[in-house]
Amino acid sequence: DQQVKQNSPSLSVQEGRISILNCDYTNSMFDYFLWYKKYPAEGPTFLISISSIKDKNEDGRFTVFLNKSAKHLSLHIVPSQPGDSAVYFCAAISNTGNQFYFGTGTSLTVIP
Amino acid sequence: DAGVIQSPRHEVTEMGQEVTLRCKPISGHNSLFWYRQTMMRGLELLIYFNNNVPIDDSGMPEDRFSAKMPNASFSTLKIQPSEPRDSAVYFCASSPGQASMTQYFGPGTRLLVL
Repeated sequence: DQQVKQNSPSLSVQEGRISILNCDYTNSMFDYFLWYKKYPAEGPTFLISISSIKDKNEDGRFTVFLNKSAKHLSLHIVPSQPGDSAVYFCAAISNTGNQFYFGTGTSLTVIP
Repeated sequence: DAGVIQSPRHEVTEMGQEVTLRCKPISGHNSLFWYRQTMMRGLELLIYFNNNVPIDDSGMPEDRFSAKMPNASFSTLKIQPSEPRDSAVYFCASSPGQASMTQYFGPGTRLLVL
């Protein structure tokens, strides 16, 4: 059973516009959330993270929002650039630090 | 830093053969993870080591899969015997451990079992 879900397998966005990638989770014991970016034939690379004590974390063009009551997090990329085209995975870590779950990924295409 | 190193990058084998995937974590990292990526299930954690000791192997699919970490700089994931449904990309990742939750991934091994 998927504890971390990314219900949109793909997303296309025009360059310069905002990209919003969504992620839902089922376990309220998750304490830490991360977004990873993956290019073809490469391993995922860390993008941004957020602790459960926060509801927003921003790093340049990337902002992650956490809504604990809805068990939902989202990644906003603004403005989107063609180089952002990749697969994005969200991940959750339990409060014990011993359980790690990834979503199935969302493939983002930014159209020039 | 060379990052996490995985070998081989690609492996094609026949059903029933033994497959061994190798991983060298980033020096100084004390946590190591093996993941399997499939289209249907995304990235699944197979097993997780901390200070060379397996902490959680609940993700290992079945007894055909085994993993070892004989020292801080080397780990193997073995599949014996391999089956076509094992075809996937296998990633190794390492982490500094409690000081950081961020994992650093290797480039992956693409396994095809015919």
